[in-house]
Amino acid sequence: EIVMTQSPATLSVSPGERATLSCRASQSVSSNLAWYQQKPGQAPRLLIYGASTRATGIPARFSGSGSGTEFTLTISSLQSEDFAVYYCQQYNNWPPRITFGPGTKVDIK
Amino acid sequence: EVQLVESGGGLVQPGRSLRLSCAASGFTFDDYAMHWVRQAPGKGLEWVSGISWNSGSIGYADSVKGRFTISRDNAKNSLYLQMNSLRAEDTALYYCAKVAARRVKGESYFDYWGQGTLVTVSS
Repeated sequence: EIVMTQSPATLSVSPGERATLSCRASQSVSSNLAWYQQKPGQAPRLLIYGASTRATGIPARFSGSGSGTEFTLTISSLQSEDFAVYYCQQYNNWPPRITFGPGTKVDIK
Repeated sequence: EVQLVESGGGLVQPGRSLRLSCAASGFTFDDYAMHWVRQAPGKGLEWVSGISWNSGSIGYADSVKGRFTISRDNAKNSLYLQMNSLRAEDTALYYCAKVAARRVKGESYFDYWGQGTLVTVSS
């Protein structure tokens, strides 16, 4: 099983600042990496797939990078609606053997 | 508009069974793989199982393999999860999720999610 880790567990950021979230895979997943945002009481929302492609309707302040085992989600200028938990997910196998990272909570500094 | 509506959750005793359903609408159901993802209270996301558009490929997390069975009925636009030998650690909100890519192996990232159905395993 591919193990995903995320750092930091919690990131305290002021509105308007940049946030950088990290995700690491225990073995290469190529670019088969997605990022989701989840707010309390809501289902997750797809932000990024293919490590760097924004999903439909996702603002340009969200960007993803990386390949292999190291990935980054950057939020260039945090808005109030961006305070949430962010999960990375690898999908490198078929039949599916998907794993999620434990999440990074972005809260208000 | 894509809609995924889960049902079938509830309180069940350890060792018993439960069957979850997900009713899909707003897209061509038999063109997309579907998955179940769960979230224990206050915890992160855990992938449970996935099934290809034609039921030809199926995968399970190690934690549920041999106890859970995923299936789909394309004529009814429905996804199912049969859960047997339930344990306390299966307590979670179970989401049904649709993959974004049509009839593509792999590419298992999820563009639509239901609101979930809560399963509580307790005596």
